[in-house]
Amino acid sequence: NAGVTQTPKFQVLKTGQSMTLQCAQDMNHNSMYWYRQDPGMGLRLIYYSASEGTTDKGEVPNGYNVSRLNKREFSLRLESAAPSQTSVYFCASILDRANYGYTFGSGTRLTVV
Amino acid sequence: EDQVTQSPEALRLQEGESSSLNCSYTVSGLRGLFWYRQDPGKGPEFLFTLYSAGEEKEKERLKATLTKKESFLHITAPKPEDSATYLCALQSGNTGKLIFGQGTTLQVKP
Repeated sequence: NAGVTQTPKFQVLKTGQSMTLQCAQDMNHNSMYWYRQDPGMGLRLIYYSASEGTTDKGEVPNGYNVSRLNKREFSLRLESAAPSQTSVYFCASILDRANYGYTFGSGTRLTVV
Repeated sequence: EDQVTQSPEALRLQEGESSSLNCSYTVSGLRGLFWYRQDPGKGPEFLFTLYSAGEEKEKERLKATLTKKESFLHITAPKPEDSATYLCALQSGNTGKLIFGQGTTLQVKP
């Protein structure tokens, strides 16, 4: 099925461990985004990639890095996980900046203990 | 600073009981206001985009409207399957970034 695929769906990390969240889309979309969702906070933008080869910081980038590996894939890395990074992470993509009907993945639920 | 505030946080309705969800916003220049539906454990699903005051869009039992300060999502004769969290978002700049409200969780009882 066409769409945005995120892996893993669930993950538990210990404080200080590192991990990479994977995101891939098969819709030939140009722009990709990473959001985190916390209770009472709404969705907040971590990083985005407006096009292949470019990445920019969003609202809450501290503690994260990203890689736009190719047009399809956009990964999010936590170098040294902290309990404050416990959240649900969503990847999203859009075709171009004139089309803001994001397609979201199903999310990664991350718990840092 | 661009801002989005949704109310109420939670809404319980009986099946068939129509109501409205509110999204208040402040923005330096409106480029677009968006409504999404999110089911538990899933990613948000796009519903509507509104670009200018007075614009309205409909989809089944849902109707979104826009004024210069607010957007409303009207739900007519809701069914239990309309139960979900409804998110409002504002376009910021021209990079595709959206500013999301905290959402309204709707529960429709049979």
